Amino acid sequence: TAGITQAPTSQILAAGRSMTLRCTQDMRHNAMYWYRQDLGLGLRLIHYSNTAGTTGKGEVPDGYSVSRANTDDFPLTLASAVPSQTSVYFCASRLDRDVGELFFGEGSRLTVL
Amino acid sequence: AQSVSQHNHHVILSEAASLELGCNYSYGGTVNLFWYVQYPGQHLQLLLKYFSGDPLVKGIKGFEAEFIKSKFSFNLRKPSVQWSDTAEYFCAVKAGSSASKIIFGSGTRLSIRP
Repeated sequence: TAGITQAPTSQILAAGRSMTLRCTQDMRHNAMYWYRQDLGLGLRLIHYSNTAGTTGKGEVPDGYSVSRANTDDFPLTLASAVPSQTSVYFCASRLDRDVGELFFGEGSRLTVL
Repeated sequence: AQSVSQHNHHVILSEAASLELGCNYSYGGTVNLFWYVQYPGQHLQLLLKYFSGDPLVKGIKGFEAEFIKSKFSFNLRKPSVQWSDTAEYFCAVKAGSSASKIIFGSGTRLSIRP
């Protein structure tokens, strides 16, 4: 079915290691987003991209990087993971920065030990 | 910076009770407003949205929300809840026509007693 695919679904990572969470959408949406979800804090925006080739910082960007080489893919990289990055990560997309609502992927549960 | 407040962290209701979940935001200009629901173990799904026009918005599953600009509020309502409404509910705001960020509140967990 069409939508957003995230991988991996779940991962345990040693502190200090790097990790890339993958996100692919097939809806030809221009805008894409990465959020982390933590108990009691809701969803916090990490990075976003309004269109291929551009990215921007969200509320909690430190320790994360993104790239947007094409319309479909928006990977999130943790260069050197720390335990505070243990979270559930959701990728989302929107038709355009000013149009429509967010569509979410199934989430990636990351545990950093 | 824009922010979204959901003051009810956990709401417990019996079936058939009426529901109102509060959402307040801090931004004085044009806003896009959303309510999302997350059922246990699932990803977020859109309940309803407000971009412009009628401030009373109807969504799926009998939910509605009212945009009150003077109160910076967008409260979610349902006249009679069901056990299947047990979920976490998130309010979200995009502040300003040129803004890129959609910011979420901390969520309200709704538990329905059968």
